[in-house]
Amino acid sequence: QSVLTQPPSVSAAPGQKVTISCSGSSSNIGNYYVSWYQQLPGTAPKLLIYESNKRPSGIPDRFSGSKSGTSATLGITGLQTGDEADYYCGTWDSSLSAGVFGGGTKLTVL
Amino acid sequence: EVQLVESGGGLVQPGGSLRLSCAASGFTFSGYWMSWVRQAPGKGLEWVANIKGDGSEKYYVDSVKGRFTISRDNAKNSLYLQMNSLRAEDTAVYYCACGKAAPDYWGQGTLVTVSS
Repeated sequence: QSVLTQPPSVSAAPGQKVTISCSGSSSNIGNYYVSWYQQLPGTAPKLLIYESNKRPSGIPDRFSGSKSGTSATLGITGLQTGDEADYYCGTWDSSLSAGVFGGGTKLTVL
Repeated sequence: EVQLVESGGGLVQPGGSLRLSCAASGFTFSGYWMSWVRQAPGKGLEWVANIKGDGSEKYYVDSVKGRFTISRDNAKNSLYLQMNSLRAEDTAVYYCACGKAAPDYWGQGTLVTVSS
């Protein structure tokens, strides 16, 4: 059971928008920035969002992040078949003194 | 360009030991927290351990405390993970990553298989 809770799967049609939630607590999301990652099959995770809502250079603005209280959300607009991947949220947990990740969400673009 | 290259993975018997290495380049290594993150086959990401830039602080996930040791050599721009008393459940791809908890940069990973 992951410390951060994500839905196992989400799906939407090409061109549509999807959101992926990440729920935590005051010891993690409530007091720390959240990062989001995209992992394509057989590859290393790739940073999509850092400090809860910032995009690294080269990440299109179709990807966005937000945080409110003890939850964070990744939004993807203009879905493409190439967006099919696993998505993870991550942050620090002060109670555990450890890094924590969500269980991952598999995105299917129908 | 940031590069992180892991090495040292392989097949080891239960109870055995393995030392992973990570060669870093493209950034001021000594100025950054570094982490190890693993991913068991078909499973999600699991943060394993991290170490502060000067090596003064280290943290571990509970499941590896007392068995794994993270270290670094800033003169060699290298990160290490000494893994002892390995168990079948330690089987995973181990990623070297730059950052304290949710890292910005990741290596390509090295596979560790614990099996008899």
